Amino acid sequence: QVQHVQSGAEVKKPGASVKVSCKASGYNFTNYAIHWVRQAPGQRLEWMGWINIDNGNTKYSQKFQGRVTVTRDTSASTVYIELSSLRSEDTAVYYCAREYGTRFDYWGQGTLVTVSS
Amino acid sequence: QSALTQPASVSGSPGQSITISCTATSSDVGSYKLVSWYQQHPGKAPKLLIYEVSERPSGVSSRFSGSKSGYTASLTISGLQAEDEADYYCCSYAGIRTWVFGGGTKLTVL
Repeated sequence: QVQHVQSGAEVKKPGASVKVSCKASGYNFTNYAIHWVRQAPGQRLEWMGWINIDNGNTKYSQKFQGRVTVTRDTSASTVYIELSSLRSEDTAVYYCAREYGTRFDYWGQGTLVTVSS
Repeated sequence: QSALTQPASVSGSPGQSITISCTATSSDVGSYKLVSWYQQHPGKAPKLLIYEVSERPSGVSSRFSGSKSGYTASLTISGLQAEDEADYYCCSYAGIRTWVFGGGTKLTVL
């Protein structure tokens, strides 16, 4: 069955970077795009960006441009998101999700990133 | 950036029907038929309920339905059940390979 297993919770200091992984299984990884969506405590879902697994092309929300990088390792069926210059407002649960025809059909379990001094 | 506006909360009694609206604030988002809806229970990942305005993935109850008129998409839940109590988010393709989520609606089953 389709699964996305994300890496564990992280605690970072302001100004640091964090890298979260999302390992896919149960489908042909290179045929899809993977998106990242985050959710601050008690807040709405927020789309961050995506990567085309086949060719590595990426697109990011303007809000995160310059601070976010999404990469993939096709040999490991894994996608990564790295967010730099962390601030307290980046404290959130980060989700990966597979795109299928502009909808997000399978999601990871989420990774809590806490930014605190 | 384009935005999607949802009511903060809705409520209904078991067996009733409720509708959650999702209104686009710009014509680019509003013109697309690429609206999806997600259900999120506390502490859980979102779950796809509806895609392309009114299509339902296999395994999703027929009690969930979607529609769109002009710039406003709607999710209707009929025959409310206790387990429907959750947060609901609309999402739209916003062009040039970007997406936007609505603010979310908390559904309370009375």
